[in-house]
Amino acid sequence: KNQVEQSPQSLIILEGKNCTLQCNYTVSPFSNLRWYKQDTGRGPVSLTIMTFSENTKSNGRYTATLDADTKQSSLHITASQLSDSASYICVVAGGYQKVTFGTGTKLQVIP
Amino acid sequence: NAGVTQTPKFRILKIGQSMTLQCTQDMNHNYMYWYRQDPGMGLKLIYYSVGAGITDKGEVPNGYNVSRSTTEDFPLRLELAAPSQTSVYFCASTARQGMENEQFFGPGTRLTVL
Repeated sequence: KNQVEQSPQSLIILEGKNCTLQCNYTVSPFSNLRWYKQDTGRGPVSLTIMTFSENTKSNGRYTATLDADTKQSSLHITASQLSDSASYICVVAGGYQKVTFGTGTKLQVIP
Repeated sequence: NAGVTQTPKFRILKIGQSMTLQCTQDMNHNYMYWYRQDPGMGLKLIYYSVGAGITDKGEVPNGYNVSRSTTEDFPLRLELAAPSQTSVYFCASTARQGMENEQFFGPGTRLTVL
């Protein structure tokens, strides 16, 4: 069964600090992995996408990594801001119309 | 562009009532999707559409119906609401075919069935 597991479930960090969110998946075959940011009361918004051949992708202060051999991905947030408070969802695609969503990591950045 | 819009934002239903959740996108996307998001769970696909007049079931279609008469609109119908349908519902669309492409989500509809 295709699964996407994220850790931690929730995280509280101080403004300005860095953090790393983890995503482990068992989806096969693998097409791509995408990280979405979901603000409270809003729909998810895509941050990054990585295919099999990519192992790092950045979007501003967000850097995603992918290890396709171990089926792990991470999302690193640098110099966190209050606006980073949100849920971060890892989504793994296994081909056409085959997508598995993770349960998300809820991040809270406090002053 | 407004992107993907959903109405209503919130709704409380009594058991057995029916309602339609509206979804509209102005990006001329052919592919549209309905998901539900339960607390502590990943999004689950209810129904999807690859174009006007074409719809198909997703992972959790029971208790729901959809129609797609235009490219822009993709309403989700709940018949005989049950407490198990209490959830947040998201509509999404993709510019290219397939959920594996970047999905553009609406703001969601929070539904409570009592």
